[in-house]
Amino acid sequence: QKEVEQDPGPLSVPEGAIVSLNCTYSNSAFQYFMWYRQYSRKGPELLMYTYSSGNKEDGRFTAQVDKSSKYISLFIRDSQPSDSATYLCAMSALNAGNNRKLIWGLGTSLAVNP
Amino acid sequence: ETGVTQTPRHLVMGMTNKKSLKCEQHLGHNAMYWYKQSAKKPLELMFVYSLEERVENNSVPSRFSPECPNSSHLFLHLHTLQPEDSALYLCASSQGGGTGELFFGEGSRLTVL
Repeated sequence: QKEVEQDPGPLSVPEGAIVSLNCTYSNSAFQYFMWYRQYSRKGPELLMYTYSSGNKEDGRFTAQVDKSSKYISLFIRDSQPSDSATYLCAMSALNAGNNRKLIWGLGTSLAVNP
Repeated sequence: ETGVTQTPRHLVMGMTNKKSLKCEQHLGHNAMYWYKQSAKKPLELMFVYSLEERVENNSVPSRFSPECPNSSHLFLHLHTLQPEDSALYLCASSQGGGTGELFFGEGSRLTVL
């Protein structure tokens, strides 16, 4: 079993739709959860960051963590064509030292059609 | 220049060539990373430098050799690569403290013939 599972898609939705992106994980030690967005021919950029369980909202984006189910979600409201990108989940437990080793999902490719 | 800059953006090399990838960060961070991104695989951490000390991923072949001369610059020296090494190589930086917030460059697309 992979430590992090993420459906690579592709996912295609009409403009204005609510998008739900998900990852599941197996390591109960994970406590830091991130969503990165990667546009074509660009590097990933941090979109949302959550510690432990709960929700976090930033504009049209909401990140949810359910540690009891080992499941994280990213919701995009009123999706726009500019949201078309690959969304990667990443998570980590605390390592010794100053660096965290992130465990990544495969990324979900999203296309929002005008 | 701002953020994380990688050069070259594209590189084609034969299996007997020697080349280097360069990364420079202008964010004042004290940790730098090399990642490999291949189709249908998650991001693979190759090397981490923190305060110029290397934490190495043991599964990286010796044909990849990193160098971190200072906290702003990171190199990946390549020699006798294999076609399966063709991938997007991403450099990233972060501020120590381990928040996991990585700032990536745009990557160097490597093709090995």
